[in-house]
Amino acid sequence: EAQVTQNPRYLITVTGKKLTVTCSQNMNHEYMSWYRQDPGLGLRQIYYSMNVEVTDKGDVPEGYKVSRKEKRNFPLILESPSPNQTSLYFCASSPQASGSGGEQFFGPGTRLTVL
Amino acid sequence: AQRVTQPEKLLSVFKGAPVELKCNYSYSGSPELFWYVQYSRQRLQLLLRHISRESIKGFTADLNKGETSFHLKKPFAQEEDSAMYYCAPFGCQKVTFGTGTKLQVIP
Repeated sequence: EAQVTQNPRYLITVTGKKLTVTCSQNMNHEYMSWYRQDPGLGLRQIYYSMNVEVTDKGDVPEGYKVSRKEKRNFPLILESPSPNQTSLYFCASSPQASGSGGEQFFGPGTRLTVL
Repeated sequence: AQRVTQPEKLLSVFKGAPVELKCNYSYSGSPELFWYVQYSRQRLQLLLRHISRESIKGFTADLNKGETSFHLKKPFAQEEDSAMYYCAPFGCQKVTFGTGTKLQVIP
């Protein structure tokens, strides 16, 4: 089944404790992206990747890191989480970055709470 | 700078009434426009895109390049349409979503 998976789905952690949220897609998509969803603010892009080893900042990259060593995986790293990073996070992938291939396929979301 | 405006945070309509969810965008170049829907506790999924010009679940959206709008419409709302709706232009690598409109269909 073609899908985007994220792990963990729920995470409660404490300030400053490094964490990684994994994202994997099995559709051979070139484009992958991370978003955070907050009430009243909609979805905001954190980072995106056009292909392996190619990543760039979205609108809210502060406090986050990403890597794209393999085409299928795009982990989100919080080196020192803070309470303002408490949010619902979505990973998404797309066959390509623009044009008719621009439909994004979303993962199920990861609800992160930073105490 | 890219900007997407969905002016209504909440839109409540009665079942059977027409629905219009507004989306205005400010974007360089010629983006492709999408509407995504998020049902309660589910992931976002594509509702429709402007280039396909198809109707999904009775929804349509017309791109008005002059007004830079891409409003979503449905002639008769159903209870199962209650969800969050996001407008999203996609024309380059960076993606900007609107803040979303929650549609509430009252039985």
